Amino acid sequence: KAGVTQTPRYLIKTRGQQVTLSCSPISGHRSVSWYQQTPGQGLQFLFEYFSETQRNKGNFPGRFSGRQFSNSRSEMNVSTLELGDSALYLCASSLEPGGLVKTQYFGPGTRLLVL
Amino acid sequence: KQEVTQIPAALSVPEGENLVLNCSFTDSAIYNLQWFRQDPGKGLTSLLLIQSSQREQTSGRLNASLDKSSGRSTLYIAASQPGDSATYLCAVDTGGFKTIFGAGTRLFVKA
Repeated sequence: KAGVTQTPRYLIKTRGQQVTLSCSPISGHRSVSWYQQTPGQGLQFLFEYFSETQRNKGNFPGRFSGRQFSNSRSEMNVSTLELGDSALYLCASSLEPGGLVKTQYFGPGTRLLVL
Repeated sequence: KQEVTQIPAALSVPEGENLVLNCSFTDSAIYNLQWFRQDPGKGLTSLLLIQSSQREQTSGRLNASLDKSSGRSTLYIAASQPGDSATYLCAVDTGGFKTIFGAGTRLFVKA
């Protein structure tokens, strides 16, 4: 069974641009979560999608948004990029959102560098 | 607000040593706690998941325990190997269905 895939793996953008990252979950998984990882803040929860609906959102500005498609693939978008958005963006999939048993499977991440 | 703390931040041990990584959390109302491993520049690999009703989980040389009342979890690694060198993160699933991660413990096992 294929794991979680994320594209692109590396990305370089300049301030003010926007970026779209993609995540394909493990087949059969319907929940996709996004995280931002930086050396200073560690791993922070961005949002979680289940059945095309955003179930929960972390404390990030509105420039960060996402969506999920009917095949469970998810995209996240960051508009008006800032230097501080440089980070490793990780996507994780699970069978169901939250709750008692939620083993999350992570993708390799997309490393974004904002110049 | 749930906060997750991991101690120590970094650890260097000789090969073959048994070691314990610590994780503490401030709010005992959790659904589960998960330990992950992260290799440099890569994603996370789930090691063990402990449900809120469980006390411990074991997988090979790894054993994780959970004490909700004291807000603590430990990851025990037996007979450490150089291949165990990585960053170990613990994460709790809160009642708000958010996953909160600790900052991690960087482990280096010397051959």
